[in-house]
This record gives sequence, C-alpha cells and structure tokens, in this order.
Amino acid sequence: EDKVVQSPLSLVVHEGDTVTLNCSYEVTNFRSLLWYKQEKKAPTFLFMLTSSGIEKKSGRLSSILDKKELSSILNITATQTGDSAIYLCAVDPSSNTGNQFYFGTGTSLTVIP
Amino acid sequence: EPEVTQTPSHQVTQMGQEVILRCVPISNHLYFYWYRQILGQKVEFLVSFYNNEISEKSEIFDDQFSVERPDGSNFTLKIRSTKLEDSAMYFCASSALPQGYRQPQHFGDGTRLSIL
Repeated sequence: EDKVVQSPLSLVVHEGDTVTLNCSYEVTNFRSLLWYKQEKKAPTFLFMLTSSGIEKKSGRLSSILDKKELSSILNITATQTGDSAIYLCAVDPSSNTGNQFYFGTGTSLTVIP
Repeated sequence: EPEVTQTPSHQVTQMGQEVILRCVPISNHLYFYWYRQILGQKVEFLVSFYNNEISEKSEIFDDQFSVERPDGSNFTLKIRSTKLEDSAMYFCASSALPQGYRQPQHFGDGTRLSIL
C-alpha cells in the first residue's frame, strides 16, 4: 500500500529559528512530491519536486528531494509567526491515471514570538 | 490570481439528508478533484474528474457519492444519504494538466460538512 509519512507530527519553535520538516514515502511508482502549507483552510501549494538533488527555493523556504532515500525535506529559515501552519507532503504516484495525491498527516508548526 | 471557490463554507445537515457541495474550479483547468479531511486526520482523495467523467475514485467514494459538472463552470459533489461519519472538511481542487506535465493541484478553501 502506498504510504506517506511525515515527521515530526508537531513542532514548536521561537521566531528566528530554522526548522527542517521531513517526508518519506513508499509508492509503487513515483512521479512527483509536493509540499503544501495549510493554515485555516485550503492547502496552498509551495513546491513540486520531481528530480533528486535539485533544491527548490522560495524566500526563506526551500525543499529538496532524495529519490534514493525516498524522502524530502522542507527547510524554513528565520521563522516568523506567519509560518505557523500545518505543512503537508503529498506524493503523486505515476501508476494511477486519475492524478490523485497521497497525503501525509502533516507537521503542525507553531512559531512563538 | 485565479482561485478555486467553494460554497457553502459550512453546511449543517441532518443524517439521511442529501447534500450538494459546490465548486468553481479555475477557469482554464481541465482536471477536477474532491478530497476530504476528517478533523485531525489526513487529507484523503475521493475522486478525480476529466472530460465529463470520473477518471479515478477511492474506496471512500461509494454509491452514496456522485459528481457532476452541470455547466461550464461548476463542479459538484453530491452525498445522497448522509451519515455521521461523512462529517469532514471537503476540498475541491483543480489542475491544468495531469501531473505527468508537472502541474500542481490548486485547492479551494473547503466546505465544512457537519452531520447531526
């Protein structure tokens, strides 16, 4: 069964800290891995990763995929209270035709001032 | 920036009643999806829809569920006879092309469905 596991489940840090969130996956075939940020409502898209070893960056956020280890990390540097959210990892297995994602349970990040 | 819109934001219904959740996907998107998230649990895939038909559905999407694109803009999820366990946040998503072309799915804000 395809599976996506995120760690830690929750994290509390102080503003200015750097955090690393982990996602590991087991899928029959792999096409891409996506990171989403979920605040009160909709998951909002952060990154899509398809190639191993290539870092994607957006401001203080960055992410990298390791296909050999079947994992990805999401880094947030100089955290701010606005970074508080649930960070979801989703994997798109290429074996399906409907383009569904398999989501992890998410990492709940709380940044305190 | 274009976005996926969902209505209503919150729906409260008696068990056994039918509900219709509505979504307006991003206008140039061709692929539509419904997901649900039970409180405290992970986001789960329900169904994907392309070219006016279901392309994939999960085990959750049983005979009580149906989807429809009644016109050029709306995409609806109907639950025929709601059960208590249908209480969840329902997310609609759309994408321009399938993931093989590396386009992410964009999510609406969700409809919180509460079954009494």
